[in-house]
Amino acid sequence: GAVVSQHPSRVICKSGTSVKIECRSLDFQATTMFWYRQFPKQSLMLMATSNEGSKATYEQGVEKDKFLINHASLTLSTLTVTSAHPEDSSFYICSARVPGLAGGPTDTQYFGPGTRLTVL
Amino acid sequence: GQNIDQPTEMTATEGAIVQINCTYQTSGFNGLFWYQQHAGEAPTFLSYNVLDGLEEKGRFSSFLSRSKGYSYLLLKELQMKDSASYLCAVLDSNYQLIWGAGTKLIIKP
Repeated sequence: GAVVSQHPSRVICKSGTSVKIECRSLDFQATTMFWYRQFPKQSLMLMATSNEGSKATYEQGVEKDKFLINHASLTLSTLTVTSAHPEDSSFYICSARVPGLAGGPTDTQYFGPGTRLTVL
Repeated sequence: GQNIDQPTEMTATEGAIVQINCTYQTSGFNGLFWYQQHAGEAPTFLSYNVLDGLEEKGRFSSFLSRSKGYSYLLLKELQMKDSASYLCAVLDSNYQLIWGAGTKLIIKP
């Protein structure tokens, strides 16, 4: 399947600092990437949809000024958690939509390995 | 509203067969996905159904009935490594993925 990388895999930071998470599609171009957050023992929660070259679409309740998303190229989207607080500690996962791969289903989402953020 | 239901937790024995059910009510339907997620890791793609019927892929099979809003994931010859959460997700009319809460599968020797 398609490969999506995410960096860093784990980050610990102090309250008030900003953290940037990178999501890259390694062997395909992704016009659309998604950012999810997952709290322990809960399902994925979509935060925003990132489209290359345009502003991200945020889900209701997600602060766009706190979670800055930039999709500058067809292979890279970044999520910056600004002024992080302990309640932002979570597992952040990106995924990339793979449209119409030959022999595969359309609109499959392939996930990065995730970033575990701990804010002290 | 949109809703996807699947059992919270299931337990099965190594070597046995288990069926994980998923029912959905969504605004439109463009396919149903099953993902596997091991603890502390991101989900990995297992299967995709858009037409009624059974799709078999090795030890895993997925079934869909669009008229009933129902799918199941069938796991055969269970192995300890199959212990994970299994997520059902439906692609709605806007091509947005609607996620179920996941079913935690516990395999016992």
